[in-house]
Amino acid sequence: GQQLNQSPQSMFIQEGEDVSMNCTSSSIFNTWLWYKQEPGEGPVLLIALYKAGELTSNGRLTAQFGITRKDSFLNISASIPSDVGIYFCAGQWDYNNAGNMLTFGGGTRLMVKP
Amino acid sequence: DSGVTQTPKHLITATGQRVTLRCSPRSGDLSVYWYQQSLDQGLQFLIQYYNGEERAKGNILERFSAQQFPDLHSELNLSSLELGDSALYFCASSPSGGTNTGELFFGEGSRLTVL
Repeated sequence: GQQLNQSPQSMFIQEGEDVSMNCTSSSIFNTWLWYKQEPGEGPVLLIALYKAGELTSNGRLTAQFGITRKDSFLNISASIPSDVGIYFCAGQWDYNNAGNMLTFGGGTRLMVKP
Repeated sequence: DSGVTQTPKHLITATGQRVTLRCSPRSGDLSVYWYQQSLDQGLQFLIQYYNGEERAKGNILERFSAQQFPDLHSELNLSSLELGDSALYFCASSPSGGTNTGELFFGEGSRLTVL
């Protein structure tokens, strides 16, 4: 089946630093999404990307849909303590034939030191 | 608050037992998804239901089963539990079976501990 490799697995950074994480797949996706999970909560959608090459921002977050459709990147600028959590990439292949099933990466655990 | 409700929040049981996890989707959402998150693992898709019918199936064990009822709530049944079944089980919902947004609304999860 499809697999998503997400890196890094964890990051411990200083407040104010920029963060980059990425996700690669062995096969192509039609949609890439980035979710954030905070302790004791379920994942919440941050950014959705629907077109190869697309670059989308949400506040301090910027994500890109790789041109090959096999990868995606998430950048967080000027990190703050509330950015702490686990960030998951997710890919969706064919929403018509496979419902809305998402394949998730293993997550990047972000820790921010004030 | 995502609008998705899961019960129980925590459950401790013994090997060999059977448990049922319950999920109420957001009002109006027809699709329900179940995901398993083991310690330090990503989210593994188990199964999706759309308006009462099974729509997609992931790596769900034969010991596990699910259903979606006419009122759209869903239950995930886990039987002959093993230590390795200890995990967070998430339910998520979306408006339709094939929405193209990719957005799922997750509940807070049910943490299952098998001793």
